Parts: sequence; structure tokens; C-alpha cells
Amino acid sequence: RKEVEQDPGPFNVPEGATVAFNCTYSNSASQSFFWYRQDCRKEPKLLMSVYSSGNEDGRFTAQLNRASQYISLLIRDSKLSDSATYLCVVGRGAGKSTFGDGTTLTVKP
Amino acid sequence: DAGVIQSPRHEVTEMGQEVTLRCKPISGHNSLFWYRQTMMRGLELLIYFNNNVPIDDSGMPEDRFSAKMPNASFSTLKIQPSEPRDSAVYFCAIHLWTSGGALDEQFFGPGTRLTVL
Repeated sequence: RKEVEQDPGPFNVPEGATVAFNCTYSNSASQSFFWYRQDCRKEPKLLMSVYSSGNEDGRFTAQLNRASQYISLLIRDSKLSDSATYLCVVGRGAGKSTFGDGTTLTVKP
Repeated sequence: DAGVIQSPRHEVTEMGQEVTLRCKPISGHNSLFWYRQTMMRGLELLIYFNNNVPIDDSGMPEDRFSAKMPNASFSTLKIQPSEPRDSAVYFCAIHLWTSGGALDEQFFGPGTRLTVL
């Protein structure tokens, strides 16, 4: 079993749709949690950190459930520019992180 | 974005040749990482350095792979001899963080796309 597992996708949604991605992690000692975004043929970039209290950044909402070892990302009112691969990332301190395989989102007009 | 510079951006070589990938990170980082990304295996951590010292190289696939960080501004990943299954995108990344968690982020370079024929 992989340390970080994500919905395999791909997700194909129309503009304006709401889409949710899920991620589970196996190491209960994990300390930090993130969502990264990777555009085609580009490097991953931080989208947002994930906190136990949940956090929101515009149309994006991230949630963490430590008891269930579960992380989610919700995108509301999706835009064409949201099309990318979303990587769930779990950190164990000193920056060492494990990346999920990613979920690909395509938003269509 | 000149945060992490990698060279070359693309490399095509023949099996058996030596390949050296280079990374020049911005100053002030806490750690430096080398990753490999393929469609089959996703993003894999190969090795990471803390204060220029290799801390964990358990992800390095074989003895053909080696990495060095002679100073805080430069790191190399070498494959010798290269094989077709080494074809992938190799990313260098640095970790910046501050106590209290105000900053805790990995910044990736643009990657080197390696093709071994």
C-alpha cells in the first residue's frame, strides 16, 4: 500500500462545477499536509497548506481529518484554468515529504 | 522564476553514457531534494540534503546514481552508466520553512527531461 493514496481520476467537469478530491495517508506520525498543483510539463507548485481546522482560499477549501488520516480539496465554481494535476503531499518534518500520484482535473467549457 | 535553476532542461543520450544533472538553488534554503517523475511511478524522492549533507538516499535506485552537494548553491545528480529505464523528468527542489509554520514550502526547479535511447 502506498503511503499517500489519491483518487485515481481523471476528473472531467464542466465550467462552474464543484469538484472534490480525496487523499488518505498511512503514516500517523505525519506532521504537515499540503496540496500542490502541477500543470502539464511544468513543476509542482504549492496550492495550499492543509490544517486541522480547515482552510479556505477563494474557491478552494482544504480539510484534514487526523483521526481518519484523510485530506480533501474542494474546488467550487471551477474555471478552465483549474485544469491541472493536483498532488496530495504529506510531510514528516525537515521538509521530507511524500507525494501522492496526483489526480488530473480537466475543466471543459 | 529563478528560485531553483536546473540544467540542462532537456537531455537526450545513449544508453551507457554518463549523465550529470545540475541544480542551483536560491540561498536561505533548509534542505535540497532530488526527485524523479514518471507516468508509471509518479514523483519519487531520490535523495535529500540538509546543510549540504546527504541525510537520506534510500530512494536512489541503484549504485549507478550518485548525488553531491559541495556547497549550498550547487548540487549534482549523476547517472553512470545511464539506461533507457532512467528516462524521466528529474526535479531539484528546496525547502523553505520558518518556525511557527508561517512558511513551509518546497520550491521546485523546472526539471530536466532526460531521455536515454
